[in-house]
Amino acid sequence: DVKVTQSSRYLVKRTGEKVFLECVQDMDHENMFWYRQDPGLGLRLIYFSYDVKMKEKGDIPEGYSVSREKKERFSLILESASTNQTSMYLCASRRQGATNEKLFFGSGTQLSVL
Amino acid sequence: QKEVEQNSGPLSVPEGAIASLNCTYSDRGSQSFFWYRQYSGKSPELIMSIYSNGDKEDGRFTAQLNKASQYVSLLIRDSQPSDSATYLCAVRRASGYALNFGKGTSLLVTP
Repeated sequence: DVKVTQSSRYLVKRTGEKVFLECVQDMDHENMFWYRQDPGLGLRLIYFSYDVKMKEKGDIPEGYSVSREKKERFSLILESASTNQTSMYLCASRRQGATNEKLFFGSGTQLSVL
Repeated sequence: QKEVEQNSGPLSVPEGAIASLNCTYSDRGSQSFFWYRQYSGKSPELIMSIYSNGDKEDGRFTAQLNKASQYVSLLIRDSQPSDSATYLCAVRRASGYALNFGKGTSLLVTP
């Protein structure tokens, strides 16, 4: 079965720190996504990558950047963490052209910015 | 941003009843529609996908799609307490790769 691994389940950082969230998938999926999930706001797309070194902004990219140097790894970077970036971050991957277009999610990283 | 709208609930149904979850979307060009289930503290998991108008059945789950009305629904027959979760409606954007998610409907199945 597909495994999407996020490096940390819980993370506490200070305002202004540079934060790296890592996501690795083991099924050679082309598409990878970063979402954040907040109570009352649902899942919102931050960035996605449709292939290696390719990236596109989602709906809320401000304050974030991404890196996809290898197919299996998609990193989310908070350039200067702020308290409003406290959230659950979910990484997902998908095989391009898959019949059911199923997104496989990681277990999430709960980030607290103090 | 294209919207996906769901009632937040909670929707409470007795065990054995039919649970009906509804979703509307604004992107008229969308062609792919999904229902994800998310248990508390867990990640979403896909339970149904639907692409054509009409009904699609999979076990106790039936997804219904009406593109003219921009409406997607999920019926859960013979609801079980283990079905208690948040159900997320997702719509693939006409413009590309990503999914838009609704905020989810919380379902509670009472014994």
